[in-house]
Amino acid sequence: DIQMTQSPSSVSASVGDTVTITCRASQGIRSWLAWYQQKPGKAPKLLIYEASTLLSGVPSRFSGSGSGTDFTLTISSLQPEDFATYFCQQADSFPLTFGGGTKVEIK
Amino acid sequence: EVQLVESGGGLVQPGGSLRLSCAASGFIFRSYTMNWVRQAPGKGLEWISYISTDSRDIHYADSVKGRFTISRDNSKNSLYLQMNNLRAGDTALYYCAKNQLGKHQQDYWGQGTLVTVSS
Repeated sequence: DIQMTQSPSSVSASVGDTVTITCRASQGIRSWLAWYQQKPGKAPKLLIYEASTLLSGVPSRFSGSGSGTDFTLTISSLQPEDFATYFCQQADSFPLTFGGGTKVEIK
Repeated sequence: EVQLVESGGGLVQPGGSLRLSCAASGFIFRSYTMNWVRQAPGKGLEWISYISTDSRDIHYADSVKGRFTISRDNSKNSLYLQMNNLRAGDTALYYCAKNQLGKHQQDYWGQGTLVTVSS
Protein backbone atom coordinates (compact mmCIF):
# COMPACT_ATOMS: atom_id res chain seq x y z
CA ASP A 1 0.00 0.00 0.00
CA ILE A 2 1.11 3.56 -0.67
CA GLN A 3 1.64 5.56 2.52
CA MET A 4 0.93 9.28 2.43
CA THR A 5 2.80 11.46 4.92
CA GLN A 6 1.56 14.99 5.46
CA SER A 7 3.36 17.75 7.27
CA PRO A 8 2.94 19.67 9.39
CA SER A 9 0.08 18.10 11.33
CA SER A 10 -1.00 21.58 12.37
CA VAL A 11 -0.05 25.15 11.59
CA SER A 12 -1.04 28.45 13.18
CA ALA A 13 -1.38 31.35 10.81
CA SER A 14 -2.96 34.76 10.49
CA VAL A 15 -5.33 36.13 7.89
CA GLY A 16 -3.24 37.22 4.93
CA ASP A 17 -0.43 34.73 5.55
CA THR A 18 0.78 32.14 3.08
CA VAL A 19 0.57 28.53 4.26
CA THR A 20 2.36 25.60 2.67
CA ILE A 21 1.44 21.97 3.36
CA THR A 22 3.49 19.08 2.05
CA CYS A 23 2.53 15.53 1.25
CA ARG A 24 4.98 12.73 0.50
CA ALA A 25 4.07 9.39 -1.06
CA SER A 26 5.97 6.23 -0.14
CA GLN A 27 6.31 5.45 -3.83
CA GLY A 28 5.79 7.36 -7.06
CA ILE A 29 2.21 8.26 -7.88
CA ARG A 30 2.87 10.38 -10.98
CA SER A 31 0.43 13.29 -10.61
CA TRP A 32 -2.44 11.32 -9.07
CA LEU A 33 -2.72 13.47 -5.97
CA ALA A 34 -5.78 15.25 -4.66
CA TRP A 35 -6.25 17.79 -1.88
CA TYR A 36 -9.40 18.07 0.22
CA GLN A 37 -10.59 20.65 2.73
CA GLN A 38 -12.72 19.67 5.69
CA LYS A 39 -14.41 21.99 8.16
CA PRO A 40 -15.73 20.78 11.54
CA GLY A 41 -18.93 18.79 11.21
CA LYS A 42 -18.84 18.91 7.43
CA ALA A 43 -17.94 16.48 4.67
CA PRO A 44 -14.61 16.92 2.87
CA LYS A 45 -14.52 19.06 -0.25
CA LEU A 46 -12.26 18.40 -3.21
CA LEU A 47 -10.03 21.40 -3.93
CA ILE A 48 -7.31 20.19 -6.28
CA TYR A 49 -6.89 17.05 -8.36
CA GLU A 50 -4.09 15.66 -10.48
CA ALA A 51 -1.69 17.54 -8.21
CA SER A 52 -2.30 21.00 -9.60
CA THR A 53 -5.74 21.32 -11.22
CA LEU A 54 -8.18 23.47 -9.26
CA LEU A 55 -11.73 22.24 -9.13
CA SER A 56 -14.11 24.75 -10.69
CA GLY A 57 -15.14 27.35 -8.15
CA VAL A 58 -12.10 26.95 -5.89
CA PRO A 59 -10.43 30.31 -5.24
CA SER A 60 -7.17 30.91 -7.06
CA ARG A 61 -5.34 31.52 -3.76
CA PHE A 62 -5.18 27.72 -3.55
CA SER A 63 -2.49 26.07 -5.63
CA GLY A 64 -0.94 22.64 -5.86
CA SER A 65 2.31 21.37 -7.25
CA GLY A 66 4.51 18.32 -7.43
CA SER A 67 4.76 14.95 -9.07
CA GLY A 68 6.21 11.57 -8.27
CA THR A 69 6.50 11.46 -4.49
CA ASP A 70 6.54 15.06 -3.28
CA PHE A 71 3.60 17.44 -3.41
CA THR A 72 2.66 20.82 -2.01
CA LEU A 73 -0.55 22.68 -1.29
CA THR A 74 -0.12 26.43 -0.96
CA ILE A 75 -2.75 28.80 0.33
CA SER A 76 -1.84 32.39 -0.44
CA SER A 77 -3.35 35.29 1.45
CA LEU A 78 -5.18 33.10 3.95
CA GLN A 79 -8.84 34.03 4.42
CA PRO A 80 -11.02 33.40 7.51
CA GLU A 81 -12.96 30.69 5.65
CA ASP A 82 -9.71 28.79 4.96
CA PHE A 83 -9.23 27.73 8.55
CA ALA A 84 -9.90 24.01 8.28
CA THR A 85 -8.20 20.64 8.03
CA TYR A 86 -6.60 19.64 4.74
CA PHE A 87 -5.99 16.11 3.54
CA CYS A 88 -4.00 14.79 0.62
CA GLN A 89 -4.99 11.57 -1.14
CA GLN A 90 -3.21 9.40 -3.66
CA ALA A 91 -5.45 8.28 -6.51
CA ASP A 92 -2.81 6.25 -8.34
CA SER A 93 -3.67 2.76 -7.12
CA PHE A 94 -5.90 0.83 -4.78
CA PRO A 95 -6.17 1.00 -1.86
CA LEU A 96 -6.62 4.74 -2.12
CA THR A 97 -4.90 6.35 0.85
CA PHE A 98 -5.09 9.68 2.62
CA GLY A 99 -2.52 11.66 4.48
CA GLY A 100 -3.06 12.22 8.18
CA GLY A 101 -4.30 15.76 7.73
CA THR A 102 -3.08 19.27 8.47
CA LYS A 103 -5.13 21.54 10.69
CA VAL A 104 -4.78 25.20 9.79
CA GLU A 105 -5.58 27.21 12.89
CA ILE A 106 -5.94 30.88 13.61
CA LYS A 107 -2.91 32.41 15.30
CA GLU B 1 -27.57 19.70 -7.91
CA VAL B 2 -25.66 16.58 -6.92
CA GLN B 3 -26.96 15.04 -3.71
CA LEU B 4 -25.77 11.99 -1.82
CA VAL B 5 -27.80 10.98 1.21
CA GLU B 6 -26.57 8.17 3.44
CA SER B 7 -28.75 6.19 5.81
CA GLY B 8 -28.68 3.00 7.85
CA GLY B 9 -26.18 3.89 10.54
CA GLY B 10 -26.77 3.27 14.21
CA LEU B 11 -25.63 1.48 17.33
CA VAL B 12 -24.71 -2.17 16.90
CA GLN B 13 -23.02 -4.71 19.14
CA PRO B 14 -19.63 -6.19 18.26
CA GLY B 15 -20.11 -9.02 15.80
CA GLY B 16 -23.32 -7.52 14.48
CA SER B 17 -24.27 -6.33 11.02
CA LEU B 18 -25.56 -3.18 9.37
CA ARG B 19 -26.43 -2.20 5.83
CA LEU B 20 -25.73 1.35 4.78
CA SER B 21 -27.49 2.96 1.83
CA CYS B 22 -26.68 6.04 -0.23
CA ALA B 23 -29.36 7.65 -2.37
CA ALA B 24 -27.92 9.61 -5.26
CA SER B 25 -29.54 12.34 -7.30
CA GLY B 26 -28.64 15.24 -9.55
CA PHE B 27 -26.33 13.25 -11.84
CA ILE B 28 -26.37 10.16 -14.06
CA PHE B 29 -25.58 7.67 -11.32
CA ARG B 30 -24.90 4.71 -13.64
CA SER B 31 -22.07 6.64 -15.30
CA TYR B 32 -20.00 7.26 -12.20
CA THR B 33 -17.86 5.08 -10.00
CA MET B 34 -18.51 5.34 -6.28
CA ASN B 35 -16.79 4.89 -2.95
CA TRP B 36 -17.31 4.56 0.76
CA VAL B 37 -14.95 6.54 2.99
CA ARG B 38 -15.06 6.59 6.77
CA GLN B 39 -13.82 8.84 9.52
CA ALA B 40 -13.46 7.70 13.11
CA PRO B 41 -14.33 10.36 15.70
CA GLY B 42 -11.61 12.99 15.79
CA LYS B 43 -9.49 11.10 13.26
CA GLY B 44 -8.55 11.30 9.61
CA LEU B 45 -10.15 9.92 6.47
CA GLU B 46 -9.98 6.25 5.55
CA TRP B 47 -11.06 5.05 2.11
CA ILE B 48 -12.72 1.66 2.47
CA SER B 49 -14.32 0.60 -0.80
CA TYR B 50 -14.79 1.34 -4.52
CA ILE B 51 -17.22 0.06 -7.11
CA SER B 52 -17.18 0.56 -10.86
CA THR B 53 -20.18 1.65 -12.89
CA ASP B 54 -21.12 -1.91 -13.82
CA SER B 55 -20.11 -3.45 -10.46
CA ARG B 56 -17.50 -5.62 -12.15
CA ASP B 57 -14.52 -3.89 -10.55
CA ILE B 58 -14.57 -3.70 -6.76
CA HIS B 59 -11.85 -2.91 -4.26
CA TYR B 60 -11.63 -2.88 -0.48
CA ALA B 61 -9.24 -1.66 2.18
CA ASP B 62 -7.54 -4.51 4.01
CA SER B 63 -9.22 -3.36 7.23
CA VAL B 64 -12.67 -4.36 5.91
CA LYS B 65 -11.90 -7.01 3.30
CA GLY B 66 -13.93 -10.15 3.92
CA ARG B 67 -16.35 -8.39 6.25
CA PHE B 68 -17.82 -5.56 4.14
CA THR B 69 -19.51 -5.79 0.73
CA ILE B 70 -20.13 -2.85 -1.57
CA SER B 71 -22.89 -2.97 -4.15
CA ARG B 72 -25.01 -0.65 -6.26
CA ASP B 73 -28.38 -0.65 -7.97
CA ASN B 74 -28.25 1.66 -10.96
CA SER B 75 -32.00 1.32 -11.49
CA LYS B 76 -32.54 2.82 -8.03
CA ASN B 77 -29.64 5.31 -8.09
CA SER B 78 -28.38 3.74 -4.92
CA LEU B 79 -25.11 2.59 -3.38
CA TYR B 80 -24.89 0.13 -0.50
CA LEU B 81 -22.43 -1.16 2.06
CA GLN B 82 -23.16 -4.41 3.85
CA MET B 83 -21.10 -4.55 7.02
CA ASN B 84 -20.75 -7.83 8.87
CA ASN B 85 -18.80 -8.93 11.93
CA LEU B 86 -18.49 -5.35 13.10
CA ARG B 87 -15.76 -4.37 15.52
CA ALA B 88 -15.26 -1.43 17.86
CA GLY B 89 -12.65 -0.11 15.41
CA ASP B 90 -15.36 0.24 12.75
CA THR B 91 -16.99 3.03 14.75
CA ALA B 92 -16.97 6.01 12.39
CA LEU B 93 -18.92 8.38 10.23
CA TYR B 94 -19.40 6.66 6.88
CA TYR B 95 -19.45 8.81 3.77
CA CYS B 96 -20.70 7.92 0.34
CA ALA B 97 -18.55 9.69 -2.26
CA LYS B 98 -18.82 10.06 -6.02
CA ASN B 99 -15.75 10.00 -8.25
CA GLN B 100 -14.99 12.47 -10.96
CA LEU B 101 -15.74 10.97 -14.35
CA GLY B 102 -13.02 8.51 -15.23
CA LYS B 103 -10.92 9.35 -12.19
CA HIS B 104 -10.43 8.23 -8.60
CA GLN B 105 -10.83 11.54 -6.84
CA GLN B 106 -14.08 12.12 -4.95
CA ASP B 107 -15.76 15.32 -6.08
CA TYR B 108 -19.02 15.00 -4.14
CA TRP B 109 -19.62 13.60 -0.67
CA GLY B 110 -22.71 12.95 1.38
CA GLN B 111 -23.05 14.19 4.94
CA GLY B 112 -22.34 10.76 6.36
CA THR B 113 -24.10 8.25 8.57
CA LEU B 114 -22.71 7.36 11.98
CA VAL B 115 -21.98 3.76 12.88
CA THR B 116 -21.23 3.00 16.51
CA VAL B 117 -20.07 -0.47 17.48
CA SER B 118 -20.35 -1.00 21.20
CA SER B 119 -21.76 -3.42 23.74
